Amino acid sequence: GQQVMQIPQYQHVQEGEDFTTYCNSSTTLSNIQWYKQRPGGHPVFLIQLVKSGEVKKQKRLTFQFGEAKKNSSLHITATQTTDVGTYFCAGRYGNKLVFGAGTILRVKS
Amino acid sequence: NAGVTQTPKFQVLKTGQSMTLQCAQDMNHEYMSWYRQDPGMGLRLIHYSVGAGITDQGEVPNGYNVSRSTTEDFPLRLLSAAPSQTSVYFCASSYQAVFSTDTQYFGPGTRLTVL
Repeated sequence: GQQVMQIPQYQHVQEGEDFTTYCNSSTTLSNIQWYKQRPGGHPVFLIQLVKSGEVKKQKRLTFQFGEAKKNSSLHITATQTTDVGTYFCAGRYGNKLVFGAGTILRVKS
Repeated sequence: NAGVTQTPKFQVLKTGQSMTLQCAQDMNHEYMSWYRQDPGMGLRLIHYSVGAGITDQGEVPNGYNVSRSTTEDFPLRLLSAAPSQTSVYFCASSYQAVFSTDTQYFGPGTRLTVL
């Protein structure tokens, strides 16, 4: 079946360090989305990537979609304490949106 | 707009009991879905609907039923609750769009415990 693998499961960084999470699908995706969930909250949409090789930036966040549309990454430059939470990728396979297991980010100040 | 609402926020059931988790949205979204979230497993799709009268199974549909009689509502029914269904349940909705942004709007979640 369709599966999206996401690594790492957990990352603990010092404030100011960079952070990256990766997602990989065994089959081609229609698009990939990224969400952030704060502790105790619900997932909140960050961005959607549709085109092969697409790169989008939101301030300190950089999102990439692979050339084969099977993998994606989220990179945060110079993390801040406000970045803590769980980051999920979600791959679209037709009508289904399948989430990765998420990467929990903790930031030490 | 209230967005996506879910009731109840918390629920405790005994094994074998049935119940319905309610989900409603006021954004006229065609697409609605139910996810369960368990530690270390992300969000797993239970059922989804692309419009009123149309539903389909996701990754983990066993033990759950859904119906979509209106665009606004998408209830999730647990037929005979089991401890393995202890989880946080999220409802989400979006415009049905594959090649334009189909942002999923999530409800606040229902925390369910089955004893």
